Amino acid sequence: EIVLTQSPGTLSLSPGERATLSCRASQSVSSNYLAWYQQKPGQAPRLLIYGASSRATGIPGRFSGSGSGTDFTLTISRLEPEDFAVYYCQQYGSLVTFGGGTKVEIK
Amino acid sequence: EVQLVQSGAEVKKPGESLKISCKGSGYSFTSNWIGWVRQMPGKGLEWMGIIYPGDSETRYSPSLQGQVTISADKSISTTYLQWSSLKASDTAIYYCARLAYHYWYFDLWGRGTLVSVSS
Repeated sequence: EIVLTQSPGTLSLSPGERATLSCRASQSVSSNYLAWYQQKPGQAPRLLIYGASSRATGIPGRFSGSGSGTDFTLTISRLEPEDFAVYYCQQYGSLVTFGGGTKVEIK
Repeated sequence: EVQLVQSGAEVKKPGESLKISCKGSGYSFTSNWIGWVRQMPGKGLEWMGIIYPGDSETRYSPSLQGQVTISADKSISTTYLQWSSLKASDTAIYYCARLAYHYWYFDLWGRGTLVSVSS
């Protein structure tokens, strides 16, 4: 089973700042089959990125994904108030596993 | 509207059985796998398993296999998650989610079903 480790656990930033979230896999993720989700309190997760770098429908351009192999990154170029949430990565190259999440909180 | 509608919250006692549901609408239900994801209180997302409603082929997470049963009734566009004997540790929100066509990321989510198990 591929284990995904997300860091940091919590990211404290101000609106307008850049957020960089990391997701590291215990082994190479086949075909860069890596997705990112956003979850706000009391809501279901929402797909942001799939295939490591493709934005899902309706996702603003300030969200971008990059990486390959075992190291992946989600970048939010300028944080908006609605971006403060928990973010999860998920690999789908070998069955399915989720990372433990990164909380982006207001500083 | 394309959506997954989940059954309502449940309060159960340890040892009881339970079956929760997830009904798809607005798309071809038999064309996409459907998955179940657990979120324990204050914790992250945990994949439980997936089912292909077209033929009910099922795959389970190795860590959860045998603890739950996933099934589907394509005639009513519904998938199910079932327990034969609940434990307090089954207390969680359970989400169903549609997998993208040909790929196993989740592109459509239900709103979740809260299951509370307590004596």
